[in-house]
Amino acid sequence: AQTVTQSQPEMSVQEAETVTLSCTYDTSESDYYLFWYKQPPSRQMILVIRQEAYKQQNATENRFSVNFQKAAKSFSLKISDSQLGDAAMYFCAYRSGGNKLVFGAGTILRVKS
Amino acid sequence: DAGITQSPRHKVTETGTPVTLRCHQTENHRYMYWYRQDPGHGLRLIHYSYGVKDTDKGEVSDGYSVSRSKTEDFLLTLESATSSQTSVYFCAISEVAGEETQYFGPGTRLLVL
Repeated sequence: AQTVTQSQPEMSVQEAETVTLSCTYDTSESDYYLFWYKQPPSRQMILVIRQEAYKQQNATENRFSVNFQKAAKSFSLKISDSQLGDAAMYFCAYRSGGNKLVFGAGTILRVKS
Repeated sequence: DAGITQSPRHKVTETGTPVTLRCHQTENHRYMYWYRQDPGHGLRLIHYSYGVKDTDKGEVSDGYSVSRSKTEDFLLTLESATSSQTSVYFCAISEVAGEETQYFGPGTRLLVL
């Protein structure tokens, strides 16, 4: 079974600085998708970014980018120019060709002003 | 934002009572999912549906049943609620299988006393 590990329960970053959240996963499949979701205090799950495993190019969405290392089964999220509104719980998630998302336990990100 | 609503948003119930949570979508998406969120576990899939009257089990399905009689509604039932089912429940939808991203509802906080 696939597993997703987020080894950092909590991270802090100074406003305007850059922070990287780590995620590793375990799978024997070659074709899959990876996601980062953000959950602010409102509890709403918000898609931040996604990566298709067959694409070598790292996905980017404005201040959010990923470092996808397929051989190492690593999928880290980099947040540049951190803002107070980035403070949230961040979840890494994996999905194979089927429908089931497997989530990591989450990383709480605190942003200091 | 995807048109997904969940009802009720908060519920307190007693052990042994039946509970039904409702997920309603206005996107006409084929796939619907129920997850539970607990500290240290991220989100875990309970059941999902790939069409009207078509459902399948997820990772943590024991104690839960689901029904989908219309495209827009997906019901999650706890036949006899237990304290271990105290959690936050999220509904999600996706249009197709494969690469399609899942979009989440606002969540339902359930407390079983």
